[in-house]
Amino acid sequence: DQQVKQNSPSLSVQEGRISILNCDYTNSMFDYFLWYKKYPAEGPTFLISISSIKDKNEDGRFTVFLNKSAKHLSLHIVPSQPGDSAVYFCAASVIGGTYKYIFGTGTRLKVLA
Amino acid sequence: DVKVTQSSRYLVKRTGEKVFLECVQDMDHENMFWYRQDPGLGLRLIYFSYDVKMKEKGDIPEGYSVSREKKERFSLILESASTNQTSMYLCASSPGQGSGEQYFGPGTRLTVT
Repeated sequence: DQQVKQNSPSLSVQEGRISILNCDYTNSMFDYFLWYKKYPAEGPTFLISISSIKDKNEDGRFTVFLNKSAKHLSLHIVPSQPGDSAVYFCAASVIGGTYKYIFGTGTRLKVLA
Repeated sequence: DVKVTQSSRYLVKRTGEKVFLECVQDMDHENMFWYRQDPGLGLRLIYFSYDVKMKEKGDIPEGYSVSREKKERFSLILESASTNQTSMYLCASSPGQGSGEQYFGPGTRLTVT
């Protein structure tokens, strides 16, 4: 049973436009969420996180939105750049829990120049 | 600057061989993790460790074991490699309990023939 789902395996966006990547979760105990970016042949790198006490967190071009009632989070990238082309994973955990993160299956973003 | 290193970037082994994958982190992190990444399945947790000599099974521990004799080093062992263990293996570390980002190594692409 996939507790964290990224239903779009791929997404293409024009340079300069907004990229919106979505993530849904089923476990209402999750209270901390992260987004990672992964280039081919490299390990994932942390992008941005949000705890359940917030509904928005912003860092430069990246904003994460959390809708707890819908068990949904999204990552907005504005403006999108060709260097943003990568696979994006969302992950969820329980603060103070068993240290485990549950990862989604990833969305491959392609930003077209 | 956190650094997580993995002993090999690419590895080719034969079916039935015993395989050791090593991971070292230099930030004195308590928690260390082993994942495998497969297309369409995202990152799946194999084992994790929250202290020296402590280990817990993740979601897919079958066919694997781990060892953590020193805080900075976490080894993944494939007791008898099989072709379905061909995958990208990613090691990660994190401080604290359940929250906070995980820092990933570059990954080991293992092929079992």
